Amino acid sequence: DSGVTQTPKHLITATGQRVTLRCSPRSGDLSVYWYQQSLDQGLQFLIQYYNGEERAKGNILERFSAQQFPDLHSELNLSSLELGDSALYFCASSVTSGRAMFDTQYFGPGTRLTVL
Amino acid sequence: AQSVAQPEDQVNVAEGNPLTVKCTYSVSGNPYLFWYVQYPNRGLQFLLKYITGDNLVKGSYGFEAEFNKSQTSFHLKKPSALVSDSALYFCAVRDTNYNFNKFYFGSGTKLNVKP
Repeated sequence: DSGVTQTPKHLITATGQRVTLRCSPRSGDLSVYWYQQSLDQGLQFLIQYYNGEERAKGNILERFSAQQFPDLHSELNLSSLELGDSALYFCASSVTSGRAMFDTQYFGPGTRLTVL
Repeated sequence: AQSVAQPEDQVNVAEGNPLTVKCTYSVSGNPYLFWYVQYPNRGLQFLLKYITGDNLVKGSYGFEAEFNKSQTSFHLKKPSALVSDSALYFCAVRDTNYNFNKFYFGSGTKLNVKP
C-alpha cells in the first residue's frame, strides 16, 4: 500500500458526460501527478500540482482539468467524454515539487473509467 | 527529448531461474532512471531508482538494476525468479532538462514466471 488513495475504483458512464476523479496523496506529500494508462497509448503523464498550483503539464486534453485543494487532495475532471477516454487513471504523489533528485513518485491504485 | 524503450513485450522465465527485463534510455544530460511494477488491478509500485553513484542499484523484493552508461541501459534483474514476480514492469526516466517533474514511461514488459 503506497498511501495514495483514489476514488472511485470503477466508474461507468456514457459519452458526453462529465466525471470527477479524486486523489489523496500520501501524508506529507505536496505534489500530485495524474496519469492515463490505456492499451494503445501506454502510461501518459497528464498534469502535476504542487501545493495547490499547477506545476507541469503533459498530454492533457482541453476537455480535462484538474485542481489541488488546500488540504492537498486533488480532483481530475473529465468532460464531454468520448469512448477513447476509457482508461485507467492513476494519481501519484511525491514529497517535493519534483525538482529534488531523490524525489520518487508513489502511485495510487487507480480509477478505471469506462465510457459506453 | 527523454525517452525509454523496453524492447520486449513479454519475458518468460521458469521459477528459480534468473530474470532480466531490459530497458534502454535516451536522455540529454544525466539520466535519472526508475523501475516500477504493476500487479493486476493494482497501481504502480516503486521498485528502485538510479540517480548517481554505484552502477548496481538494489531495490525491493530482491530486485536490482544495472546502470550501463556506455550501452545506455538500465536492465532490471533478479537472481532467482518467483511465480509471484509475474507482473507488468515499467522503466521510467525523468526529464532533467525543461521539466524536472515529468516522468517518461516505457511501454511495459509483462513478466511471466512459470512454476
